[in-house]
Amino acid sequence: EVQLVESGGGLVQPGGSLRLSCAASGFTFSNYWMHWVRQAPGKGLVWVSLIYSDGSSTSYADSVKGRFTISRDNAKNTLYLQMNSLRAEDTAVYYCARTYCNGATCFKAWGYWGQGTLVTVSS
Amino acid sequence: QSALTQPASVSGSPGQSITISCTGTSSDVGGYDYVSWYQQHPGKAPKLMIYDVSNRPSGVSNRFSGSKSGNTASLTISGLQAEDEADYYCTSYTSSSTWVFGGGTKLTVL
Repeated sequence: EVQLVESGGGLVQPGGSLRLSCAASGFTFSNYWMHWVRQAPGKGLVWVSLIYSDGSSTSYADSVKGRFTISRDNAKNTLYLQMNSLRAEDTAVYYCARTYCNGATCFKAWGYWGQGTLVTVSS
Repeated sequence: QSALTQPASVSGSPGQSITISCTGTSSDVGGYDYVSWYQQHPGKAPKLMIYDVSNRPSGVSNRFSGSKSGNTASLTISGLQAEDEADYYCTSYTSSSTWVFGGGTKLTVL
C-alpha cells in the first residue's frame, strides 16, 4: 500500500526557517517524480514544487522561488522541502504528492497524497 | 501564473447531472491535454478523479467525466449522489513547466 507521511510542520516566526519531510513507503520511491502542494486555511490548493525521480531537475511556483528548496534522498525514501524566509502567507497545510502512473506510463497528475502537515507563520 | 477560473459553487439534486467549468489560457488549459480534476472532502487529502482531460483512474466511478474545448475544461458528474458533495479543483500543466490550480468549486447536493 502506498503511503506518504509528512512531518516537520509547526509554528515559526516570520523570517524563520522550517524543513518538511515526507516519508514514502509501499512503492519504489526512486522511480517517481514528487511534488509539494499547499493549502492555506479555508483556501484552495496551490502547487509549490516538483522534483524529478533522480533529483536532477526541480521546479518551483513563483511565490516560493528563491526561498524554498525541494530535495530527496532516494536511499531513505524521503522527500524534503526546506523553507526559508517564511512569510505569513506561507501559512498552510503542506501535502506531498506522488505522480500518478498506470503501469509503466506516468502522467502529469497526482495519484497519491499524504495527510498533510500544518505550517503556521506568525509572531 | 494566474489561477484557473472555476465557479465558486454549484448545486444539484440527487440523480441530476452537474458540470464544473475551468477556464485558463493558451499557456495552460488550451495548450496542453494535461488537465486533471481532484475531489476534496473536508479535512481530507485531495483525490484524483480525472487526468489528461478525460481519463479516469481505476476505481473512480464512470459517473465522473471530463472534457475540454479551447481554453476551458469541464468536469461532469452524472447521477449525483450525496457522497459527491465536496470541493472540486482543476489543475493544468503550464508552458512554464509548472502547474496551476483553479480556485475550487464547492458542490452541494440538495
